[in-house]
Amino acid sequence: DAGVTQSPTHLIKTRGQHVTLRCSPISGHKSVSWYQQVLGQGPQFIFQYYEKEERGRGNFPDRFSARQFPNYSSELNVNALLLGDSALYLCASSLVPGYNTEAFFGQGTRLTVV
Amino acid sequence: QKEVEQNSGPLSVPEGAIASLNCTYSDRGSQSFFWYRQYSGKSPELIMSIYSNGDKEDGRFTAQLNKASQYVSLLIRDSQPSDSATYLCAVSAADSNYQLIWGAGTKLIIKP
Repeated sequence: DAGVTQSPTHLIKTRGQHVTLRCSPISGHKSVSWYQQVLGQGPQFIFQYYEKEERGRGNFPDRFSARQFPNYSSELNVNALLLGDSALYLCASSLVPGYNTEAFFGQGTRLTVV
Repeated sequence: QKEVEQNSGPLSVPEGAIASLNCTYSDRGSQSFFWYRQYSGKSPELIMSIYSNGDKEDGRFTAQLNKASQYVSLLIRDSQPSDSATYLCAVSAADSNYQLIWGAGTKLIIKP
């Protein structure tokens, strides 16, 4: 079984541009969450989706948006990129949001904004 | 503001010894607790989950949870150089739809 897959793995963008990151969860998993990890810090929650509906949103500006598709894959979009958006973006896959649900991560997308 | 605290380290442990990693959390409503290992430049890898007070063992790893004191720990027995990584503690709760709240991680170095 394939694990969580993210694309692209690395990306370089210019300030002000737009970026789309993609995630395919583990087969059978219906929940996808996005996290941002800046070097030296723990991941920060951005969005959680379950059954195509947004279930949670972290403290990120409206430049960040996401969606989940009928096949449970997900996209994270960031508009008007800032230098501070440079980070590792992580997608986590889980069966459902729940008490004893474990989350598994993709390899991440390393975004560099110049 | 829900917080998860970890000593940033680095924690240096001789090969073959026991490494002890600690984590405290602020939200008494936290229900699920996880330890992830993260190698430099890679994504976090789940190594242990624990949901009730006490110890949970899996191979060389033991997770310990004390909800009254709001701490969770990870013991690594017979530490190997390949255990050198950053260990992240994460907690979740129902009132936040089980989103993971993370510590900043403890860097562990196993010295041969």
